[in-house]
Amino acid sequence: GAGVSQSPSNKVTEKGKDVELRCDPISGHTALYWYRQRLGQGLEFLIYFQGNSAPDKSGLPSDRFSAERTGESVSTLTIQRTQQEDSAVYLCASSLTDVVETQYFGPGTRLLVL
Amino acid sequence: AQSVAQPEDQVNVAEGNPLTVKCTYSVSGNPYLFWYVQYPNRGLQFLLKYITGDNLVKGSYGFEAEFNKSQTSFHLKKPSALVSDSALYFCAVRDYGAGSYQLTFGKGTKLSVIP
Repeated sequence: GAGVSQSPSNKVTEKGKDVELRCDPISGHTALYWYRQRLGQGLEFLIYFQGNSAPDKSGLPSDRFSAERTGESVSTLTIQRTQQEDSAVYLCASSLTDVVETQYFGPGTRLLVL
Repeated sequence: AQSVAQPEDQVNVAEGNPLTVKCTYSVSGNPYLFWYVQYPNRGLQFLLKYITGDNLVKGSYGFEAEFNKSQTSFHLKKPSALVSDSALYFCAVRDYGAGSYQLTFGKGTKLSVIP
């Protein structure tokens, strides 16, 4: 079946512009996660959605970052007034539930802020 | 708080030799432990996980990992390395006992298998 998909695969933007990143999880997966991966670093947790529960936003680095999810489907991560330090690969993952299920990752969106 | 450490940035091994990629963790409760692999320009792929039960876990592509509670380690191993195993490997932990659903990842270990 289809895996997690993300779009765009690459995004180049100018400092100060807003960007929107999209994630399509695996169908039927109730849990969805966003991570940031800076060059040479591990994954940094950003936000987590589980069904209709309130999302866990504890990993968002600033109020310029926000995310939404429509039900148990598509999620968008928005970065407002982008800064050069926002340059990274943004990874989305989904899992069947949030208990012990394996997280399946998308290919990521590579964001470059000039 | 949960944390994971991968002490080696890079591991080099000759093709056909056994390989080990090290991982240690710290949790306040019970750990769920994962290994993921990242090939160039591709997303992370799940290799294996330890939840409970047998300390030796077998996963994809001939990899296995041993959970050692006393040493708080979860080293990834393979008896005979292939050139195609060259990639970036991430260890991750989740502190189930603390009710956490977040995965904390290590910084990754680059494995190079030399022909």
